[in-house]
Amino acid sequence: EAQVTQNPRYLITVTGKKLTVTCSQNMNHEYMSWYRQDPGLGLRQIYYSMNVEVTDKGDVPEGYKVSRKEKRNFPLILESPSPNQTSLYFCASSFFGNEKLFFGSGTQLSVL
Amino acid sequence: AQSVAQPEDQVNVAEGNPLTVKCTYSVSGNPYLFWYVQYPNRGLQFLLKYITGDNLVKGSYGFEAEFNKSQTSFHLKKPSALVSDSALYFCAVKTGNQFYFGTGTSLTVIP
Repeated sequence: EAQVTQNPRYLITVTGKKLTVTCSQNMNHEYMSWYRQDPGLGLRQIYYSMNVEVTDKGDVPEGYKVSRKEKRNFPLILESPSPNQTSLYFCASSFFGNEKLFFGSGTQLSVL
Repeated sequence: AQSVAQPEDQVNVAEGNPLTVKCTYSVSGNPYLFWYVQYPNRGLQFLLKYITGDNLVKGSYGFEAEFNKSQTSFHLKKPSALVSDSALYFCAVKTGNQFYFGTGTSLTVIP
């Protein structure tokens, strides 16, 4: 089944404790991206990647890192999480040029 | 700055009536335009897109959207609403390699 898989589904952590949210897709998509969803703000793009080893900042990249060492994986790294990063996070992917994004089920992150 | 506006946080419509969910945008260049739907505890699902061509775009589940370049709008429509259409709807634009989303409109279809 074609899908984008995010883990974990829920995560509670404390300020400053490094964490990684994983994202994997099995559709051989070139384009992958991360978003955060906050009430009243909609979805905002954090980072995107056009292909392996090619990443770029989206609208709200501060406090986040990403890597794209393999085509299928695009982890989101919070090296020193803060409470203002409490949010619902989505990973998405697409074929470059097709423009239709496939979304994961989301990761609800709470930073205490 | 690029922006996408969905002026209505909430839209209520009776089952069987036509529905419209509004979207306007302000971006540079000629963007690609999209509608996505989100059901509770799920990721977003693609409904339709406009890239070029006919201003009326047909998508999944009987939805369609009308592109109006002069008004920079891309309103989502459906001729006859179903209770199962109740969900959160997002308008999005892609310009360059970046996506910008609206704040979402919660649609409730009343039986």
